Amino acid sequence: AQSVTQLDSHVSVSEGTPVLLRCNYSSSYSPSLFWYVQHPNKGLQLLLKYTSAATLVKGINGFEAEFKKSETSFHLTKPSAHMSDAAEYFCVVSDRDTGGFKTIFGAGTRLFVKA
Amino acid sequence: DADVTQTPRNRITKTGKRIMLECSQTKGHDRMYWYRQDPGLGLRLIYYSFDVKDINKGEISDGYSVSRQAQAKFSLSLESAIPNQTALYFCATSDRAGGPETQYFGPGTRLLVL
Repeated sequence: AQSVTQLDSHVSVSEGTPVLLRCNYSSSYSPSLFWYVQHPNKGLQLLLKYTSAATLVKGINGFEAEFKKSETSFHLTKPSAHMSDAAEYFCVVSDRDTGGFKTIFGAGTRLFVKA
Repeated sequence: DADVTQTPRNRITKTGKRIMLECSQTKGHDRMYWYRQDPGLGLRLIYYSFDVKDINKGEISDGYSVSRQAQAKFSLSLESAIPNQTALYFCATSDRAGGPETQYFGPGTRLLVL
């Protein structure tokens, strides 16, 4: 069975410093992994996804994530935080399940960016 | 115009009332989903539909029902609302049958059950 754990419920960084949002997963097969962002009062928007191609995935707004199978991790990073990055971020795993695919959302990590 | 729209955006109702949340999409996707979001729990799947004639229960379907009126429309009903159904509800769509795919989310409906 698959699961996803976001290791931090809140992360606070200063503007211009690096961002690291951590995600670990478990999966029986070869999962696809996603990061979504949710700005206040908005729906979720896809940042990036990994689907068994290159292990380093680049997304929108300067974010990237690296799939590490040996560590079962898919951490999200950005070299320099911007105030507009303040939002909630969800790590998502999708994998084969009985009758098709099952998608599991992490609990979310809220990113605060200080001026 | 938004590709995935939800109505209403906010709703307050009383315990025992029946309410319907509606979702429409212009993306031409076959797959549609209903999720609820609660603080600290992420999103949990209520129901999903892979085409007009296909309805499937998700992780937390009890107390909810759905109707797929057309490819573009997917409604969620609470037959008799209770306070622990107070949450933020999202509709989503996706395409590409047979594999994991990106989901496109509506703006959400904030529901308060008194």
